[in-house]
Amino acid sequence: GAVVSQHPSRVICKSGTSVKIECRSLDFQATTMFWYRQFPKKSLMLMATSNEGSKATYEQGVEKDKFLINHASLTLSTLTVTSAHPEDSSFYICSARPPTSGSYNEQFFGPGTRLTVL
Amino acid sequence: AQSVTQLDSHVSVSEGTPVLLRCNYSSSYSPSLFWYVQHPNKGLQLLLKYTSAATLVKGINGFEAEFKKSETSFHLTKPSAHMSDAAEYFCVVSSFGYNKLIFGAGTRLAVHP
Repeated sequence: GAVVSQHPSRVICKSGTSVKIECRSLDFQATTMFWYRQFPKKSLMLMATSNEGSKATYEQGVEKDKFLINHASLTLSTLTVTSAHPEDSSFYICSARPPTSGSYNEQFFGPGTRLTVL
Repeated sequence: AQSVTQLDSHVSVSEGTPVLLRCNYSSSYSPSLFWYVQHPNKGLQLLLKYTSAATLVKGINGFEAEFKKSETSFHLTKPSAHMSDAAEYFCVVSSFGYNKLIFGAGTRLAVHP
């Protein structure tokens, strides 16, 4: 149980275009999902917390107009990188917190999406 | 405030020898502690978690970790390394009722034949 999927796994796009990444919890409902960014050989950096039916909460320094997050259902959150530029190239990972995690904040992670902006 | 420090950025062991990956944490409240593993270009897999039950936590693939409050440590160990254990390992802390996970910088484990 507690499987999280991401689509696509890899995407290459031209500078100036927008890219949408989907994160799905396959066997549980997640009222809260999280989006992380990981630079090569670095740790994960939390970008935003996505709550179903409400606006996402962005971490300091993350441009909300650049990284649009929509959490339209209890099993789906999307991250759209708008007007992508080469510096947006990165590994994006989502996670979802199942209701059974209680107050301990256990999260299950998706396999990640490798974005390359040319 | 919460923070986590992984004391080694790289650890190299021979196959069949013990593994020790060190992690120290700081937390104002009762912490939850996790170890995740990440293989190249993959997502994160939970190895084990501590959530205020037994201080010695057993995880998958023969890994275990011991929560030591007096030392604020949560070191990851395995008696005998396999080649497939080569990966990046992250120590992660969260506090009771806190919404976020705080990641350590990661430790890259290399396993040599």
